[in-house]
Amino acid sequence: AQTVTQSQPEMSVQEAETVTLSCTYDTSESDYYLFWYKQPPSRQMILVIRQEAYKQQNATENRFSVNFQKAAKSFSLKISDSQLGDAAMYFCAYRGNAGGTSYGKLTFGQGTILTVHP
Amino acid sequence: DTEVTQTPKHLVMGMTNKKSLKCEQHMGHRAMYWYKQKAKKPPELMFVYSYEKLSINESVPSRFSPECPNSSLLNLHLHALQPEDSALYLCASSRFDGYVNTEAFFGQGTRLTVV
Repeated sequence: AQTVTQSQPEMSVQEAETVTLSCTYDTSESDYYLFWYKQPPSRQMILVIRQEAYKQQNATENRFSVNFQKAAKSFSLKISDSQLGDAAMYFCAYRGNAGGTSYGKLTFGQGTILTVHP
Repeated sequence: DTEVTQTPKHLVMGMTNKKSLKCEQHMGHRAMYWYKQKAKKPPELMFVYSYEKLSINESVPSRFSPECPNSSLLNLHLHALQPEDSALYLCASSRFDGYVNTEAFFGQGTRLTVV
C-alpha cells in the first residue's frame, strides 16, 4: 500500500517571503502522479500543482514549484512571494497507475496548515 | 467549466432521518468519487464510480448508499446515521477513458451534522 507523509503539521511565513512544505511517500509502483492540493476555509480542495513520476523536470505553476526527488521519494512544494490568500491547509497526494483497479484513487498526507503573516 | 457542484452546502439530520447529498459535473468526466473528511484531517475515500458503475467501495457502512443515475450526477443516500458520521462530504470527478485518469476536481462539500 502507498503512504504519504507530511511531517510539518503547521508552517508560517511572512507575506512576500518563500516557504517550502515537505512531503515524502512510499510506493512500489513506477508509474504514478503526485499532487499538491490547497484547502482554504471555504473547504474546496483546489489543485495547486501536479507532477508525473516519469518526468524528471520539476513542475511549476506561477509562484508554486515542486522539488521532485524520485529516488528519495520526496515531493516538496515551494511557494514564492507568499500572499495572504495562500493561507490554507495543504495536502500532498499520491495517485497510482492510472489504469487497473486504482480508478484514480488519491492517497493523501495528513496536511500542513500554512499561516501567512502580513 | 471545471466545476463540481454539491448540494446542499449544509445539512443537519436526525439519526432516524433519510436524506441525500447531490453532486453534479458537466465536464464529461466518467470517474466520480465520494470522500469523507473530518476536521483537520485528510479526505478518506468512500466510493468510486467509473462509467456509472460502482468500482470501489472502501468498506463503507450500508447506511451510506451511493447512486450514479447518469454520467453527470452522483448521489449519496443517507439513512440511520450516527453522530460520528458528522463530517464534510466531498465529491470529486476526473476524466477517465478506461486507462488515463486526469487529476481530480473537487466540489465545495456538504457539511453534515447528525444530531
